[in-house]
Amino acid sequence: EVQLVESGGGLVQPGGSLRLSCAASGFTFSSYWMHWVRQAPGKGLVWVSRIKTDGTYTNYMDSVRGRFTISRDHAKNTLFLQMNSLRAEDTAVYYCVRSVNGSFDSWGQGTLVTVSS
Amino acid sequence: EIVLTQSPGTLSLSPGERATLSCRASQSVSSSYLAWYQQKPGQPPRLLIYGAFNRATGIPDRFSGSGSGTDFTLTISRLEPEDSAVYYCQQHTNSKYPFGQGTKLEIK
Repeated sequence: EVQLVESGGGLVQPGGSLRLSCAASGFTFSSYWMHWVRQAPGKGLVWVSRIKTDGTYTNYMDSVRGRFTISRDHAKNTLFLQMNSLRAEDTAVYYCVRSVNGSFDSWGQGTLVTVSS
Repeated sequence: EIVLTQSPGTLSLSPGERATLSCRASQSVSSSYLAWYQQKPGQPPRLLIYGAFNRATGIPDRFSGSGSGTDFTLTISRLEPEDSAVYYCQQHTNSKYPFGQGTKLEIK
């Protein structure tokens, strides 16, 4: 069974940093592109970032590029999202997601990031 | 940049009825990369349809997808109370993965 378990969310002040982790199990982690998708409270889904199978290629949504860094560790089957210079508008539930041919077939339960003073 | 617009915003139907949800793209997109998701309160989204019309694993055949170009449809036949949720369409193109704003389906 595919499992994606996020951790690392919490309350942080504007300008602060957080590092999200996603522990993957039940599948060959190194064979899949992985993503972060977020959802602000009461709002819709927004794709944030993706990373290629081997970690050599990454993409970001415009508003986080230069502030967020996605990475992966195949020895630990873990996906990361380093978030710096956080803003109030980054407040959201962050989902770790696996993709197949452009669709998101497996989702974690999410971790809540709250940016507030 | 492709924008996906879903309609209606809210749909209220009775059990046993048919629901038709629309997703319109701002420009023509590949059917191969059009997906639909269901999200219930407090849960992560669940993939329903990929490639515009292919049901994901475990999805009942009451759910079907269709469309091409700029207009795509998710149809739910024989509505059941557990179908109450928000439904999102999503596309993949040019290293972007836009979502529609969602349609809330209420079962009376």
